[in-house]
Amino acid sequence: DAKTTQPTSMDCAEGRAANLPCNHSTISGNEYVYWYRQIHSQGPQYIIHGLKNNETNEMASLIITEDRKSSTLILPHATLRDTAVYYCIVGSGGATNKLIFGTGTLLAVQP
Amino acid sequence: GAVVSQHPSWVICKSGTSVKIECRSLDFQATTMFWYRQFPKQSLMLMATSNEGSKATYEQGVEKDKFLINHASLTLSTLTVTSAHPEDSSFYICSAPSPSTVEQFFGPGTRLTVL
Repeated sequence: DAKTTQPTSMDCAEGRAANLPCNHSTISGNEYVYWYRQIHSQGPQYIIHGLKNNETNEMASLIITEDRKSSTLILPHATLRDTAVYYCIVGSGGATNKLIFGTGTLLAVQP
Repeated sequence: GAVVSQHPSWVICKSGTSVKIECRSLDFQATTMFWYRQFPKQSLMLMATSNEGSKATYEQGVEKDKFLINHASLTLSTLTVTSAHPEDSSFYICSAPSPSTVEQFFGPGTRLTVL
């Protein structure tokens, strides 16, 4: 079973920041938080991952709470092309790292 | 970043035939790869772990004799759907973990339609 819970759907206005929450209250000390997104009929696209510290890359920022039981993915300036299902996943990394997908959040960016 | 490819991108076959789907890591080696299946409006479901040089490990409820997995080299894993039936119609996706980071890279998927 997936170890994360996410809202089923969210709306965001184009150009505004999209903040996608994720709960992972049973995360283990050595597990990372990964975020992927899937645009219709494509394979999942890696966005970002983190262990304890907040992370930022060219796509997004990841804010992880101090107790690591939840996190938020931030898309700073959402565009219509960011409309997708966003998956928050926890995993240990490495060659045997099985990523178990939950239901994800359907983010709809509105013009 | 690293690239994972799948072939074919889509396939239509008759009921009772077998279909082979290839997953390749194009610029890195992968001792393990993972196969997922996704039905319409559902999330990805992990089917099995493909292990280079040894037997695949199947998730509970996945028939190993129906979904044959062969990981013959460090860059290629194949999934063969044997005696396919319409209920096997789905989107099949593979992934491979990076050898140097904790990232995992996904292929573009293969759409299988069984008539």
